Amino acid sequence: EVQLVESGGGLVQPGRSLRLSCAASGFTFDDYAMHWVRQAPDKGLEWVAGISWNSGTIAYADSVKGRFTISRDNAKNSLYLQMNSLRAEDMALYYCAKAGRGWLRLLHYWGQGTLVTVSS
Amino acid sequence: DIQMTQSPSSLSASVGDRVTITCRASQGISNYLAWFQQKPGKAPKSLIYAASILQSGVPSKFSGSGSGTDFTLTISSLQPEDFATYYCQQYNSFPITFGQGTRLEI
Repeated sequence: EVQLVESGGGLVQPGRSLRLSCAASGFTFDDYAMHWVRQAPDKGLEWVAGISWNSGTIAYADSVKGRFTISRDNAKNSLYLQMNSLRAEDMALYYCAKAGRGWLRLLHYWGQGTLVTVSS
Repeated sequence: DIQMTQSPSSLSASVGDRVTITCRASQGISNYLAWFQQKPGKAPKSLIYAASILQSGVPSKFSGSGSGTDFTLTISSLQPEDFATYYCQQYNSFPITFGQGTRLEI
C-alpha cells in the first residue's frame, strides 16, 4: 500500500525557516517524480514544487522561487521541502504527492498533509 | 502560465442526479488533464487522467472528456459520498496549475 507521511509542520514566525519531510513507502520511491502542493485554509490547491526521480528536473511556483528548495534522498525514500523567509501567505496545509508512473507532472497519490502556520 | 478555469464554482444537486463540471485551459494542453475529488478534511483523490481515463478503482459513474482547451467531468447517479469538491489539473507544462474547484453540494 502506498503511504506518504508528511512531517515538520508547525508554528513559525514570519521570516523564519522550516523544513518539511515526506516519508514514502509501499512503492519504489526512486521510480517516481514527487511534488509538494499546498492548500491555504478554505482555499484551493496550489502546486509548490516538483522534482524528477533522479533530481535532474526541479521546478517551483513563482510564489516560492528563491525561498523554497525541494530535494529528495532516494536511499531514505524521503522528500523534503526547505522553506526559508516564510511569509503569512505561505500558511497552508502542505501535501506531498507522488506522480503517476512514467510522468513528471501528473499528480496521482497524496499524503494527508502537514500544517504550516506563519504568525508572530 | 496556463490558467485553468472551472465552472461552476458551486453546484447544488440531488441524489440520483447527473452533473457536469467544466474546465477550460487558457491554452491548448492536448489531453494532459486530470481530475481530483476532495472531501472535507481529506487529501485529494485522483479520479481521471489523460482527460478520460479512470484511475484504478474509480467507479464508472465518473467520466471525463475533452481535448485542447475544453474538458468536462460528468458524474452520473449521484450518491451521498459524491458530494465533495472537484479540481482539474493540467500537467502539460510547469508550473502545474489547478482549477479553482467546484463544490458539489446536496
